[in-house]
Amino acid sequence: RKEVEQDPGPFNVPEGATVAFNCTYSNSASQSFFWYRQDCRKEPKLLMSVYSSGNEDGRFTAQLNRASQYISLLIRDSKLSDSATYLCVVIEGTGGFKTIFGAGTRLFVKA
Amino acid sequence: EAQVTQNPRYLITVTGKKLTVTCSQNMNHEYMSWYRQDPGLGLRQIYYSMNVEVTDKGDVPEGYKVSRKEKRNFPLILESPSPNQTSLYFCASRTWDRATDTQYFGPGTRLTVL
Repeated sequence: RKEVEQDPGPFNVPEGATVAFNCTYSNSASQSFFWYRQDCRKEPKLLMSVYSSGNEDGRFTAQLNRASQYISLLIRDSKLSDSATYLCVVIEGTGGFKTIFGAGTRLFVKA
Repeated sequence: EAQVTQNPRYLITVTGKKLTVTCSQNMNHEYMSWYRQDPGLGLRQIYYSMNVEVTDKGDVPEGYKVSRKEKRNFPLILESPSPNQTSLYFCASRTWDRATDTQYFGPGTRLTVL
């Protein structure tokens, strides 16, 4: 079983749609959780951190469920510019800050 | 401007010819890391360093070496490259004292080993 698993893609959605990404992680000792965005083989860039209380940034909402070891990202009113690969990232705190990336989910938003 | 730089950006080499990919950051970050990205596998951590002279293995360290003699630099060394090390490599840095800090990535190095 992979340490961090994401929905297989790609997701093809029309502009204005709401799209949800899911991610599960296997190490219950994991400390920190993030969503990154990566455009076309460029470097990943932080989209948002994920907290148990949930956090929202404009059209983006992230949620963490530690009991289920599950992370989610919701994009509302999707734009063409949201087309990218979304990476779930988990940092394990035991013995150091090892960083585990999910394989990513590709999103295509179409006009 | 805060940034992570990598050199070279593109490299084609042959099996067995030692190479070094440099990584430098100007943000005084303690933590630096190397990743490789392959289709369908996502980014996998090769090595990371929590400070000068402190390094540790990530998920895929075989065939790679690193050193951290200065805070700003974290070179990746392939002593004897093989074709299975053909990949896209990213260096990243962030502060060490809080796991919630964002990682800043370099632009990537596309390596082809023939």
